Amino acid sequence: DGGITQSPKYLFRKEGQNVTLSCEQNLNHDAMYWYRQDPGQGLRLIYYSQIVNDFQKGDIAEGYSVSREKKESFPLTVTSAQKNPTAFYLCASSIFPGSNQPQHFGDGTRLSIL
Amino acid sequence: QKEVEQNSGPLSVPEGAIASLNCTYSDRGSQSFFWYRQYSGKSPELIMFIYSNGDKEDGRFTAQLNKASQYVSLLIRDSQPSDSATYLCAVGGRDTGFQKLVFGTGTRLLVSP
Repeated sequence: DGGITQSPKYLFRKEGQNVTLSCEQNLNHDAMYWYRQDPGQGLRLIYYSQIVNDFQKGDIAEGYSVSREKKESFPLTVTSAQKNPTAFYLCASSIFPGSNQPQHFGDGTRLSIL
Repeated sequence: QKEVEQNSGPLSVPEGAIASLNCTYSDRGSQSFFWYRQYSGKSPELIMFIYSNGDKEDGRFTAQLNKASQYVSLLIRDSQPSDSATYLCAVGGRDTGFQKLVFGTGTRLLVSP
């Protein structure tokens, strides 16, 4: 079954700690995206990647980092510089880059501060 | 003005009625419009997309786009309690270089039996 797999489902971060959220897709999609969702707010774009070995900052990239070494993988690191990391993190992908392409989401990772 | 605006609701409709969800956007260069359904605690699920003015139907769902008035709507016919969820509108357009989607905050729909 093709899809987008995010892990872990729940993650807890200690003060000063970096944590990495995994996102893997087997849809052969070129583009991948990371969003953050806070209660009562829409999805906000953190980073996106249109092709392997390339990625761009979204609207709220500060305190986050990504890599795209393989087409199927787009991990997100939440660094200690992100002072308010508690949120629902969603990874998405689309077959081609561009805003006219439907994006499909993984099941998400909930990150909380210990 | 927010780029993509939705009434947060809740919009309450009885089972079997038509639910009408609206979304307005500010970027006149917008070309792609998506509706996602998000159940509480879950990730968004794509249900419809539309690119051209007019209506697009898929089962009980109809998306309506009016670019001149800058709004897009989602109609759900024969609403069921299982349709109770938050519906997110997403728009892609010129303001983001046609690279990114801008999401509204969503409208919560409640369908009562």
